[in-house]
Amino acid sequence: RKEVEQDPGPFNVPEGATVAFNCTYSNSASQSFFWYRQDCRKEPKLLMSVYSSGNEDGRFTAQLNRASQYISLLIRDSKLSDSATYLCVVRPFSGGYNKLIFGAGTRLAVHP
Amino acid sequence: ETGVTQSPTHLIKTRGQQVTLRCSSQSGHNTVSWYQQALGQGPQFIFQYYREEENGRGNFPPRFSGLQFPNYSSELNVNALELDDSALYLCASSLAENSGNTIYFGEGSWLTVV
Repeated sequence: RKEVEQDPGPFNVPEGATVAFNCTYSNSASQSFFWYRQDCRKEPKLLMSVYSSGNEDGRFTAQLNRASQYISLLIRDSKLSDSATYLCVVRPFSGGYNKLIFGAGTRLAVHP
Repeated sequence: ETGVTQSPTHLIKTRGQQVTLRCSSQSGHNTVSWYQQALGQGPQFIFQYYREEENGRGNFPPRFSGLQFPNYSSELNVNALELDDSALYLCASSLAENSGNTIYFGEGSWLTVV
């Protein structure tokens, strides 16, 4: 079983739609959680950190459920520029500060 | 734009050869890690260097090795290249003493093994 699992998609949605991505992780001893965005043939870039209390950044809302080991990302009012791969990322307690465990990513395609 | 620079950006090697990839971390960052991203997969952690010492390693064989220099720049060396080593190799840097710091990725080096 992979340490971080995501639905690969692709999710094809029209502009203005709301789309939700889910992710599960297997290691309960995980320290921090993130969503990264990766454009085609580019490096991953931090979209937002994820907290148990839930956090919002503009049109993006992230949620963590530690009991269920489940992470979500909600994108409201999708824009064409949101088209990318969204990577669910977990930082474990051990293995080094820069050690991140990535899911395989969920592809989002927003069309006019 | 992240301050993390990698070279070369693209290269082609033959199976069995050796390759060295280079990374300059963001100014002031003392921790560098390397990731391998195969097509259609998420990045996989190779190893991490903190103040010139390896202090974390993923599930990669010993032919993957690295160095970190006093200026915190780093190299990834891969010996006896295999076709499956074809991937995007990403370098990431951060300041370990500040647990709230973001980890920044370079644009990566695309390696093709033929």
